[in-house]
Amino acid sequence: AQSVTQPDIHITVSEGASLELRCNYSYGATPYLFWYVQSPGQGLQLLLKYFSGDTLVQGIKGFEAEFKRSQSSFNLRKPSVHWSDAAEYFCAVGYAYSGAGSYQLTFGKGTKLSVIP
Amino acid sequence: EAGVTQFPSHSVIEKGQTVTLRCDPISGHDNLYWYRRVMGKEIKFLLHFVKESKQDESGMPNNRFLAERTGGTYSTLKVQPAELEDSGVYFCASSPSNYGYTFGSGTRLTVV
Repeated sequence: AQSVTQPDIHITVSEGASLELRCNYSYGATPYLFWYVQSPGQGLQLLLKYFSGDTLVQGIKGFEAEFKRSQSSFNLRKPSVHWSDAAEYFCAVGYAYSGAGSYQLTFGKGTKLSVIP
Repeated sequence: EAGVTQFPSHSVIEKGQTVTLRCDPISGHDNLYWYRRVMGKEIKFLLHFVKESKQDESGMPNNRFLAERTGGTYSTLKVQPAELEDSGVYFCASSPSNYGYTFGSGTRLTVV
């Protein structure tokens, strides 16, 4: 069975500092990998996804993530954090089980990001 | 394009009562998913519809939960009777057939 580990429950960074959120997964095949963000009172918003191809993926809001198969990792990065990035971030792996576009997501427990002005 | 709409956004009910959550997917999306996050835990898959058919309901916790999708459009998730451990945030998501999920804002259910 697939699993996702986000080792950091809570991270605090200063505005303007760089950010890296860690994600490790366990999955027997080539995974579909995702990062979602949930701001207070909002739903889950997709930041970026990896299905195949270039292992460095660019997303919205200036985020990027790199798929490293040898390390089973898909870490999320941002070079300069803004106060509005304070939110909870979820890494997920997608398990495709039937048909094109049908897959089930397994999520990590999430990492809460606080930003100091 | 309207997003995935869920309502109510919050619901507080007493143990033993019945609650029905509704999800309106993006128009034309055949795939509809329900997920749940219990306090302090991961977001977990509940079930998946393709149009009006249940494709996978392996994540449904027990038979107190009943999901339907009328005519392949909106979906409801009924909890009857509700228990304390059912409290959490229930997310709905929809996707077309090209690997993209869109989540709703969720329904926060509190059972007291």
